[in-house]
Amino acid sequence: QVQLQESGPGLVKPSETLSLTCTVSGASITSGGVYWSWIRQRPGEGLEWIGYIYYIGSGYYNPSLKSQVAISVDPSKNQFSLRLTSVTAADTAVYYCARVKLGFHFFDYWGQGTHVTVTS
Amino acid sequence: QSALTQPASVSGSPGQSITISCTGTRSDVGGYDFVSWYQQHPGKVPKLIISEVSNRPSGVSNRFSGSKSGNTASLTISGLQAEDEADYHCASYTSSNTPLVFGTGTKVTVL
Repeated sequence: QVQLQESGPGLVKPSETLSLTCTVSGASITSGGVYWSWIRQRPGEGLEWIGYIYYIGSGYYNPSLKSQVAISVDPSKNQFSLRLTSVTAADTAVYYCARVKLGFHFFDYWGQGTHVTVTS
Repeated sequence: QSALTQPASVSGSPGQSITISCTGTRSDVGGYDFVSWYQQHPGKVPKLIISEVSNRPSGVSNRFSGSKSGNTASLTISGLQAEDEADYHCASYTSSNTPLVFGTGTKVTVL
């Protein structure tokens, strides 16, 4: 059974960088056929796709966040990570990591989500 | 790329059928059969209930069904039950400047 688990600080100060890590178990992050993705949900709002990455490092990002976002993969730890720079209160959200089936474009496994608050 | 359009809320009585729409464009919903639906109970993780417009993953109740016509995809819940009260989100592949886009989300209330 594939499992994903987010980790990282729950509080970030405005203008700083938000860094989260997703640890994958039950599957190798270097297995083909899947992308590894980040999604967020602001309080009371819908889901927002942030971006995803293939294990060889090809990343795709939401254009609305592209200047702030970087997603990377660490195959040695079976993890992938999110960096979001220059955060504001608008980046307060629950952040989910998820797996995307390549070629089919659906999210089949999700992490439990981690709540991040941007506050001074 | 704007979010796909869903009604903010839909309600129905137990046993009834309800349908949630997800409207996009020819660049996303209308152009590809890569629409998926997710159920999210309050405070919980979204769960995949429909992929590729109408495919139901193993373990998902057959009361959930998906379809598409033109630029609008639909999720139908038949035999509505109290446990179906949740938020529902659609998503689609898109050929525009972002490969994936979510819908605005719909709150389903069981009366």
